[in-house]
Amino acid sequence: VVMTQSPLSLPVTLGQPASISCRSSQGLVHRDGNTYFIWFHQRPGQSPRRLIYRVSKRDSGVPDRFSGSGSGTDFTLKISRVEAEDVGVYYCMQGSHWPPTFGQGTKVEIK
Amino acid sequence: QVQLVESGGGVVQPGRSLRLSCAASGFTFSTSAMHWVRHTPGKGLESVGVISPDGSNKYYADSAKGRFTISRDNSKNTLYLQMDGLRAEDTAVYYCARDPTDDYNDIDYWGQGTLVTVSS
Repeated sequence: VVMTQSPLSLPVTLGQPASISCRSSQGLVHRDGNTYFIWFHQRPGQSPRRLIYRVSKRDSGVPDRFSGSGSGTDFTLKISRVEAEDVGVYYCMQGSHWPPTFGQGTKVEIK
Repeated sequence: QVQLVESGGGVVQPGRSLRLSCAASGFTFSTSAMHWVRHTPGKGLESVGVISPDGSNKYYADSAKGRFTISRDNSKNTLYLQMDGLRAEDTAVYYCARDPTDDYNDIDYWGQGTLVTVSS
């Protein structure tokens, strides 16, 4: 399953919203009925951190300015008001079909 | 808290072997499936493979089949990746990662990664 993110680079203004799209080459509904679609954030020099799992469930400690949505083959990560700590690379991943596959990454930077 | 610490990376010549280790702590290692994922400059993040909690089931991405072997020692809370016949395109940061599901569907925690450079 090919995961295609857009944009690949996203300059943002502090306090403004931001949105990242991820499209899969096939539907992501698993045979158990769940959709295993995940968003990760990787800051420079750090390992990836999971933000969102099963499309829209926020991990513990993730600020509520992050939200995930989507279904079928189209998914979106939204940041309601970008803060300085949000810079880095965001990756989508699907786990519904073996092997797990990742998007190319979207680099978020402050204008 | 969950901690995953990889080790064993380095510079290796093409065709040689290398074994990576991942020391786990802060959770019940023996009940968690574990992944190896690599990050290459050309292909980005790429799954290498996964191993079931008891080590009886292993699944590999096509790029790893026949050359890489995942294993684990639950008595030592350690995950391994044996890499044989290394190629230049295997140059990457290798991460171990925990899977919170029963069917290898998700990753919730990553290690800090270890760099493998395949070069003559």
